[in-house]
Amino acid sequence: GAGVSQSPRYKVAKRGQDVALRCDPISGHVSLFWYQQALGQGPEFLTYFQNEAQLDKSGLPSDRFFAERPEGSVSTLKIQRTQQEDSAVYLCASSQLLRANYGYTFGSGTRLTVV
Amino acid sequence: GNSVTQMEGPVTLSEEAFLTINCTYTATGYPSLFWYVQYPGEGLQLLLKATKADDKGSNKGFEATYRKETTSFHLEKGSVQVSDSAVYFCALAMEYGNKLVFGAGTILRVKS
Repeated sequence: GAGVSQSPRYKVAKRGQDVALRCDPISGHVSLFWYQQALGQGPEFLTYFQNEAQLDKSGLPSDRFFAERPEGSVSTLKIQRTQQEDSAVYLCASSQLLRANYGYTFGSGTRLTVV
Repeated sequence: GNSVTQMEGPVTLSEEAFLTINCTYTATGYPSLFWYVQYPGEGLQLLLKATKADDKGSNKGFEATYRKETTSFHLEKGSVQVSDSAVYFCALAMEYGNKLVFGAGTILRVKS
C-alpha cells in the first residue's frame, strides 16, 4: 500500500482483557518497528523485526506484550491481561532499509484505552 | 544511555514569526539526528535529518544544523504559518542501531 496502515484506529479494553493490534507495512519493507507513545511523551521503542525475525525486543515492558510477523509482512502486537498503564498510542513503522539512521515511515497509530 | 532533550512547550507564536525549538542530545558515538512532526490525528512524519556533524537538514522552510561541539540540533523556521501547528519531535539513531530515541516533543501553536 501507499503507507503504513494500522488497525483498529481506536480500541477500548476492559482491564484484564487481551488485545491484538495490527500493522500492515509498506509493501516490500524489510524492517518493521513498534513504538509506544504515552500521553504527552515521545514514542518509546518496543520491538524490531527484520523480515520475520524479531531481532530486538528489549523495549517490551513485560511478558504480557508479544509481537509477531510470521510471513515477514503484516505484524501483530498482542497485549495480554491489559492494565491501565498500557493505555497509550501504539505506533508501527517500516523501512526498506536495515538501519534506523535513515529514518522510517510511521503509521497513524492505534490508541488503546484500558478502563 | 542515549537520550534527547527538547525545550518544553507549548510554544505559541503569531503567523510569520521566527521559530526556534531547541534540541540537545547525549550519545556514545556519532548518531544521526532527526526532526519528526505530528499533525493532529496523524502519524509521525519525517521532517528533516542530518547524518554527520555540520550537516544541515532542510525541508518545507524548516532547517536544523548538526552541531557536534554543542551536541545540539535546533529546529528553525524564518516565518511560521498556522498550518505549522503540530507537535515536533527531535530524535536520534545510532549508526548501527535499529531504534530511534525520541525527545518528549514540543507543541507548536501558531495564531493568525
